[in-house]
Amino acid sequence: SQKIEQNSEALNIQEGKTATLTCNYTNYSPAYLQWYRQDPGRGPVFLLLIRENEKEKRKERLKVTFDTTLKQSLFHITASQPADSATYLCALDMQGANNLFFGTGTRLTVIP
Amino acid sequence: DAGVIQSPRHEVTEMGQEVTLRCKPISGHDYLFWYRQTMMRGLELLIYFNNNVPIDDSGMPEDRFSAKMPNASFSTLKIQPSEPRDSAVYFCASSWNRDGYTFGSGTRLTVV
Repeated sequence: SQKIEQNSEALNIQEGKTATLTCNYTNYSPAYLQWYRQDPGRGPVFLLLIRENEKEKRKERLKVTFDTTLKQSLFHITASQPADSATYLCALDMQGANNLFFGTGTRLTVIP
Repeated sequence: DAGVIQSPRHEVTEMGQEVTLRCKPISGHDYLFWYRQTMMRGLELLIYFNNNVPIDDSGMPEDRFSAKMPNASFSTLKIQPSEPRDSAVYFCASSWNRDGYTFGSGTRLTVV
């Protein structure tokens, strides 16, 4: 069956360090992968999209990698700040399908 | 743009009653999605539209659920009759060409 796993439910990290979140998938051939941020009581907010033929993408302090051989994406936040505390969701668009499948998310807490 | 607008923000209803959730997508977006989020199952796609036409409703849990998109600026999700297990946060999202979804703030539905 199709499955998307995010490394842990919760991740605590010290302010200023780099946070690394993992998204693993099985039985998919995604055309692209997206990362979202969700704050309590709010809808997910789109952060980055990376396509299957791209290895890495950056946006300000964010970096995403996509390894279709390992079936894994890594999401990095450098110089983390308490304001980065939120739940981060990865989502995959399977080739030939027309919708996003979401992981269950990792709750990141950046400790001052 | 005001983003994706959902109403109501909160809905409490009694079992057996009809519930209607509303969504106004971002102008110019050609895709509209309805998702449901629970702690147990995360974000699940219920149905999506392309250019106002329903494309995939395989995620709609039962015949009690129905969705319409009479025009490009409005969509509804109806549950009739509602049951306690329908309690969840329902999100509407829209996108242009499926690149990066914009989510609304959601409707928190409680069926008692």
